[in-house]
Amino acid sequence: GESVGLHLPTLSVQEGDNSIINCAYSNSASDYFIWYKQESGKGPQFIIDIRSNMDKRQGQRVTVLLNKTVKHLSLQIAATQPGDSAVYFCAEATGRRALTFGSGTRLQVQP
Amino acid sequence: SAVISQKPSRDICQRGTSLTIQCQVDSQVTMMFWYRQQPGQSLTLIATANQGSEATYESGFVIDKFPISRPNLTFSTLTVSNMSPEDSSIYLCSVVPRAGNTIYFGEGSWLTVV
Repeated sequence: GESVGLHLPTLSVQEGDNSIINCAYSNSASDYFIWYKQESGKGPQFIIDIRSNMDKRQGQRVTVLLNKTVKHLSLQIAATQPGDSAVYFCAEATGRRALTFGSGTRLQVQP
Repeated sequence: SAVISQKPSRDICQRGTSLTIQCQVDSQVTMMFWYRQQPGQSLTLIATANQGSEATYESGFVIDKFPISRPNLTFSTLTVSNMSPEDSSIYLCSVVPRAGNTIYFGEGSWLTVV
């Protein structure tokens, strides 16, 4: 079936560096994509979203890039901080807004 | 945005029993969903909670095991029936507010079946 997957299970970066988390999706009908952050013991926290009619969207310290040609999504975190350490999930949705999640990437920020 | 409250937040349950999880939202929402997150894994959609009608279940999930209610636009329940240790998971409520399309999650209900 269709699926959303991640290239790297764990990403380790130095504090202050930029982080890039990648995600591949396979459902060409998906029109909405979201990145979530999940800290230990907590539910997924919305970070940023992007619709399929866009290729880039920026938030505070975060940028999401969407490449529909190769079905690729990425999350860029600028000036990574220790508080950014968490598991990051990409998710994709069609019109009814039921999400298909990727397997998750653990981001470890080294002080 | 939407503030989502789930109860219980954690519970330890005996094998063979059933537990009902509640999801309360502070505003009316268009869509409500229930997800499961097994230990160390990603989230999987269980079902869409439909107001006033039977929930729509995903492949691998059935109503007898996971009965769902949604009596109004701000509240839903998920029951995990006849629990076994394999049901030990985080169960998460997700909503789409009336205003906007962003999808929000509650903090989850962490169930351990012994």
